[in-house]
Amino acid sequence: SYELTQPPSVSVSPGQTASITCSGDKLGHKYACWYQQKPGQSPVLVIYEDSKRPSGIPERFSGSNSGNTATLTISGTQAMDEADYYCQAWDSSIVVFGGGTKLTVL
Amino acid sequence: QLQLQESGPGLVKPSETLSLTCTVSGDSISSSRYFWVWIRQPPGKGLEWIGSIFYSGSTYYNPSLRSRVTISVDTSKNQFSLKLSSVTAADTAVYYCARRVAATTATLSYWFDPWGQGTLVTVSS
Repeated sequence: SYELTQPPSVSVSPGQTASITCSGDKLGHKYACWYQQKPGQSPVLVIYEDSKRPSGIPERFSGSNSGNTATLTISGTQAMDEADYYCQAWDSSIVVFGGGTKLTVL
Repeated sequence: QLQLQESGPGLVKPSETLSLTCTVSGDSISSSRYFWVWIRQPPGKGLEWIGSIFYSGSTYYNPSLRSRVTISVDTSKNQFSLKLSSVTAADTAVYYCARRVAATTATLSYWFDPWGQGTLVTVSS
């Protein structure tokens, strides 16, 4: 079965750039999207179709996908960005989520 | 604005069937653009897709749960439902319903937006 691998945790200082990776076999040949989940809340879509931002998502969120790795980048990270982030892709009509990355802003 | 709301028992006994309903408001569940999905998250763990349904009744299920899952749709009530049989403690989770959106300019590009608030289901005697 297809798997997506994310680092369990990433730390970043306020104002700096955070990068969260998501790895899978030939992931660049698929479309990836990203969700943000804050404690006690439902996931929120922050990136779809590799690099597109939904309405209402700040411009500091961006995405890319090439080779075996999709990357979520948060520029000028703010304290409010501290959350769990999940990547997601499709493989043969099956939905696959990454294990999630806890972003700590310190 | 589209909203989804999960409802159902918060406690289910082992070996019994978990039943949840998602009520969609702000849009018709019969739209040909969308699938409707169930996703769960065990406490402190990651997300797991359970399955998806189209308004016509076409379904896709997670192979790991397929033998125990049934998802159905009631267009007259703008609702879709989840049944998970023979539950164990491992099925304890927050269960979310969500809308699957498909890209209009790219193939095989789908995402989930929005999500319901989620409902915690505990399996315990």
